[in-house]
Amino acid sequence: NAGVTQTPKFRILKIGQSMTLQCTQDMNHNYMYWYRQDPGMGLKLIYYSVGAGITDKGEVPNGYNVSRSTTEDFPLRLELAAPSQTSVYFCASSYIGQFTGNTIYFGEGSWLTVV
Amino acid sequence: AQTVTQSQPEMSVQEAETVTLSCTYDTSESDYYLFWYKQPPSRQMILVIRQEAYKQQNATENRFSVNFQKAAKSFSLKISDSQLGDAAMYFCAYRSLMEYGNKLVFGAGTILRVKS
Repeated sequence: NAGVTQTPKFRILKIGQSMTLQCTQDMNHNYMYWYRQDPGMGLKLIYYSVGAGITDKGEVPNGYNVSRSTTEDFPLRLELAAPSQTSVYFCASSYIGQFTGNTIYFGEGSWLTVV
Repeated sequence: AQTVTQSQPEMSVQEAETVTLSCTYDTSESDYYLFWYKQPPSRQMILVIRQEAYKQQNATENRFSVNFQKAAKSFSLKISDSQLGDAAMYFCAYRSLMEYGNKLVFGAGTILRVKS
């Protein structure tokens, strides 16, 4: 089972560049999330989606955009990269339904450096 | 909004000894999930243990157990017979069952060092 797959794993961006972090899951999960983790800190929610075509802002959405055209994919777009976006990014997914929903599966993380 | 507080930035334990990591949370909800995640230097998020709020019995997973005090909103993690491989960052997390999105809210983490 592939689970939650993130690409790329490592990326160096120059200030002002844009890029997309890809996330795909093969578990038919309806809920998907993007978190960022700054050095020595906990994870903060950027965006989330409760199903295809539905996205909502989390705690730290500025500088990012998302889309959810399919159940499987939830890409995160960084526009005009800034040094403050240097972080490790985690994609996660979960199935929420009656009697279920207590496990969130995480990808392995994408390390992004903006210079 | 819910908040999760881990008041111990760092903890140390001798190999084979027992250590307890603290976590408190703030919520007005009655039904929710609590988790402890382990994050080694690779940054992989590894689920250690979960607790459903409606269950009074404390969850256990081998050497890992929790002390869940619902009224006090406390959720500590006890690691028994500590091993070198337990050294990592540990995060406490809260998941609402009622709030739209059922998001995970994380504490700031506790670095656990294991001495040989």
